[in-house]
Amino acid sequence: AAGVIQSPRHLIKEKRETATLKCYPIPRHDTVYWYQQGPGQDPQFLISFYEKMQSDKGSIPDRFSAQQFSDYHSELNMSSLELGDSALYFCASSLGDGTYEQYFGPGTRLTVT
Amino acid sequence: AQTVTQSQPEMSVQEAETVTLSCTYDTSENNYYLFWYKQPPSRQMILVIRQEAYKQQNATENRFSVNFQKAAKSFSLKISDSQLGDTAMYFCAFMKQRSEGAQKLVFGQGTRLTINP
Repeated sequence: AAGVIQSPRHLIKEKRETATLKCYPIPRHDTVYWYQQGPGQDPQFLISFYEKMQSDKGSIPDRFSAQQFSDYHSELNMSSLELGDSALYFCASSLGDGTYEQYFGPGTRLTVT
Repeated sequence: AQTVTQSQPEMSVQEAETVTLSCTYDTSENNYYLFWYKQPPSRQMILVIRQEAYKQQNATENRFSVNFQKAAKSFSLKISDSQLGDTAMYFCAFMKQRSEGAQKLVFGQGTRLTINP
């Protein structure tokens, strides 16, 4: 069965640079979530989209932006990167019809040096 | 706002033993879902088991079962006949119920479980 695809899997950037993370949800899934997991921490919700519209926003810095495109894939754009942005970024997808299960991608490991 | 608390940062048991991981949560919602996710060293988030709050019967999935106490807002995970492959970080998570649209997961701090041979 198709799973959530995230690219790239690993990314190394320098401070003040920009990064773009991509997420391709499971086919027919119209809802996408982004989570950030710092070292030794639990995943923290960043932002979600339902039917290409922003649905909810969590602890996402103003330097970050995201969108969901017409094909339902999503991109997380991160600018003016800081050392503290180094983390594992998960994308998850689900059906927005009230079924609740979120399927997680493998994550993108971002390292800021 | 909802909060999820896992009071056991680390646990360690011998292979084939039974282990119980604790989780408590705080919410004013009446309809919600609870989950246990496993995160092995690969860091992949794997759903272990889920419980709908409106169901009184505790969920079971093979060797994994939960003890859901809605009034006490407690949701523990029991792993029977533990295996080396169960070694992982385990996260308890809460989600509000909604008829449609996105609904985020709120995670606990995690419990690092080690199964010893």
